[in-house]
Amino acid sequence: KNQVEQSPQSLIILEGKNCTLQCNYTVSPFSNLRWYKQDTGRGPVSLTIMTFSENTKSNGRYTATLDADTKQSSLHITASQLSDSASYICVVSAESGGYQKVTFGTGTKLQVIP
Amino acid sequence: DAGITQSPRHKVTETGTPVTLRCHQTENHRYMYWYRQDPGHGLRLIHYSYGVKDTDKGEVSDGYSVSRSKTEDFLLTLESATSSQTSVYFCANGTPGKAFFGQGTRLTVV
Repeated sequence: KNQVEQSPQSLIILEGKNCTLQCNYTVSPFSNLRWYKQDTGRGPVSLTIMTFSENTKSNGRYTATLDADTKQSSLHITASQLSDSASYICVVSAESGGYQKVTFGTGTKLQVIP
Repeated sequence: DAGITQSPRHKVTETGTPVTLRCHQTENHRYMYWYRQDPGHGLRLIHYSYGVKDTDKGEVSDGYSVSRSKTEDFLLTLESATSSQTSVYFCANGTPGKAFFGQGTRLTVV
């Protein structure tokens, strides 16, 4: 069964500090991995998407890494801002009969405090 | 930008009543999806559509039906709402691994 596990479930950090969120998956055959940011009361918005051959991808202060061998990904947030307070969701896609089956993690809830 | 509009954004309904949620896209994405989001669960796929009048079930389709009569509209119907269907519902479009989400509809069944 395809699974995506994220840790920690929740995290509180001081504004300006860095943090790293983890995503472990057991999805195959792997197609791509995506990190979404979901603000409270809003829909998820894509931050990065990575395929098998990509190890690192950045989007401003967000840097995602992927280790396809260990089936792990991380999302590193640099110099956090209050607006980074949100849930971060890891989503992994598997190729299945020409259709991509998508598995969502339950998310990490990040709170950035002044 | 997904160009997705969901309506209503909030709804309270009584157990046993039918409910229809609407999703409208301004783009011509072939694929559209309905998900539900509940605490402790990742987003779960209810139904999806791969074209006009072409739909298929997701992992939590029981109690739900969908219709897609036009490319731009995807309707989700709860035939007889139950308290277990209290949730936040998201519509999305795009390819499965690269989906764009709407703002969500918060449905409460009392």
